[in-house]
Amino acid sequence: KQEVTQIPAALSVPEGENLVLNCSFTDSAIYNLQWFRQDPGKGLTSLLLIQSSQREQTSGRLNASLDKSSGRSTLYIAASQPGDSATYLCAVTPSLGAAGNKLTFGGGTRVLVKP
Amino acid sequence: KAGVTQTPRYLIKTRGQQVTLSCSPISGHRSVSWYQQTPGQGLQFLFEYFSETQRNKGNFPGRFSGRQFSNSRSEMNVSTLELGDSALYLCASRREGNEQFFGPGTRLTVL
Repeated sequence: KQEVTQIPAALSVPEGENLVLNCSFTDSAIYNLQWFRQDPGKGLTSLLLIQSSQREQTSGRLNASLDKSSGRSTLYIAASQPGDSATYLCAVTPSLGAAGNKLTFGGGTRVLVKP
Repeated sequence: KAGVTQTPRYLIKTRGQQVTLSCSPISGHRSVSWYQQTPGQGLQFLFEYFSETQRNKGNFPGRFSGRQFSNSRSEMNVSTLELGDSALYLCASRREGNEQFFGPGTRLTVL
């Protein structure tokens, strides 16, 4: 059974500092990994999708890496801003097959960027 | 392109009642999944529909059911509501194997 873990559960940094968010998963048989952002009481906003054949993906100030063999992904957010304050979740899709498109989520990391 | 839409956004029900939530996926997306989010359990997978067929189901009691229509719109139903069913219910759609997009959610409160 796939388990996804995000440590730490909460993180507070001063504005301008780079953010490093961690995600680990137990089963390396994944099809892709997706990072999401969630603001309080809202839905999930997709940030980055990394296919299992990729090592990293970049979008603006965001960069996500994937190491399937060690079961880890890292999301880097450069030069953090107060508007980056949110909960960040990672989720894995199992290899295509009977499991379909089910996402298994980590518990999330709650980020606070202080002005 | 319009995103995933969910209705209603907020619901208040009492124990024992039933509720139906609706989800309209992004145009062209045939896969629709439902998730329950609670502070204690986090995000948990309920079920996935693809081309009107349930393809996958999470570990929830039979009180939770769903369906998908020919236009890919989906509904989920919860019967005999319990206090523990209070949660944010999220719907997501995707093209096969690709990025999953979520709607704003329906906040269900059971009194």
